[in-house]
Order: sequence, then structure tokens, then C-alpha cells
Amino acid sequence: KAGVTQTPRYLIKTRGQQVTLSCSPISGHRSVSWYQQTPGQGLQFLFEYFSETQRNKGNFPGRFSGRQFSNSRSEMNVSTLELGDSALYLCASSRAPGEVTQYFGPGTRLTVL
Amino acid sequence: SQELEQSPQSLIVQEGKNLTINCTSSKTLYGLYWYKQKYGEGLIFLMMLQKGGEEKSHEKITAKLDEKKQQSSLHITASQPSHAGIYLCGAVPNAGNNRKLIWGLGTSLAVNP
Repeated sequence: KAGVTQTPRYLIKTRGQQVTLSCSPISGHRSVSWYQQTPGQGLQFLFEYFSETQRNKGNFPGRFSGRQFSNSRSEMNVSTLELGDSALYLCASSRAPGEVTQYFGPGTRLTVL
Repeated sequence: SQELEQSPQSLIVQEGKNLTINCTSSKTLYGLYWYKQKYGEGLIFLMMLQKGGEEKSHEKITAKLDEKKQQSSLHITASQPSHAGIYLCGAVPNAGNNRKLIWGLGTSLAVNP
């Protein structure tokens, strides 16, 4: 069974641009969560989607948004990029919200110059 | 806001030695997860603890949650180079069943052969 895949793996953008990251969950998993990981703040929850609906949201500005498609694939978008948005963005999937075990993808490393 | 503190921040041990990583909260936790992360890869689920005093083992890794459910320790016996990586603890801070986990900053472990 294929694991969680994220594309692209690496991305370099400049301030003010926008970016879209993609996540394909494990087959049969319908819940997708997004996290931002930085050395200073650690892992921070962005949002969770289930059945194309946002179930939970972390404390991030509105520049961060996401969506989920009918095939459970998810995208997150960051608009008007800032230097502080440089981070590893991780996606995790599970069969349903509240599942004990989440399976994480390898992440997308975003660098904002 | 509630935080998880991990100690030590980093650790270098000789192969074969035992080690312990701690994860501490100022408030009661409703679930404690341990994950391992290797550079450039996602998080790998190790164990989840819920009950005070609970202890779980997987191969040479043992995790415990104290009776007050405010501190967890991860113990590795006879460490091997394959144990190297970043160990992260994540916790459910309230009784609600959602994905807004709080996370420690991680403990970086290096094992010298």
C-alpha cells in the first residue's frame, strides 16, 4: 500500500508570491491534516479535512487555506508569502478524524526568499 | 497556552548505551503520542499512551505515562545507529477529540557506532 505522498518535495518562492502544496493520502484514508514545522516553533497544526469539509483549524492567518477533493486528495495554499513561512509542511492521513494513528508524508520544504 | 517541553534538546550516545527522553506538560494530558522523524522524511508513529501509569514497548523502545498524565518518558535500551533521528512527543491537551495536538520541539538523537 502506497504511503502518503506530497508534492512538490522542495519549493523556493519569493515574498509576496503564493504557493500550492498537494497531498495524496493513503488509499482508503479520508482524513487529511496539515502541519507546519519550524526549528523555533516545532510542529504546529494548520487544519484538518474530512469528506471535503474543514473539521478543525489551528491558529494561522487567513493567508493559509486548504481544501479537499472528493478523492480525499488535499491541497493547501499560502498567499502573499512571508519570510517566516519558510518551513517544512507535513501532511498526515488517517481513516477518519480522531483516529489514534496518523500517517505522515515526507513533507514539502518551502523556502521563501 | 499549554506547552510540551522535551528534554534533552539533543543527545549523542555510544552504540549499545541506554537513553531516556522526557516530555513534560504543566497540565493533564488526554493522550500522548511519540513519533520519530528522520531528516527529509515524515513522522513515524511509535506509540500512544492514554492512561495514567500506562507503559508500552516496541522492540527496544519503551514509553511510559506518569500517573498524573503530565509527563512521559521514552527509553531506548541498547541503542543502535538505526535509532538516530528526531523524537517528537505530541499530546491531546483537552478532552475533546480533535486534531489540535500540541507538540514538543523534539529531541535530536545521534548514535555513534
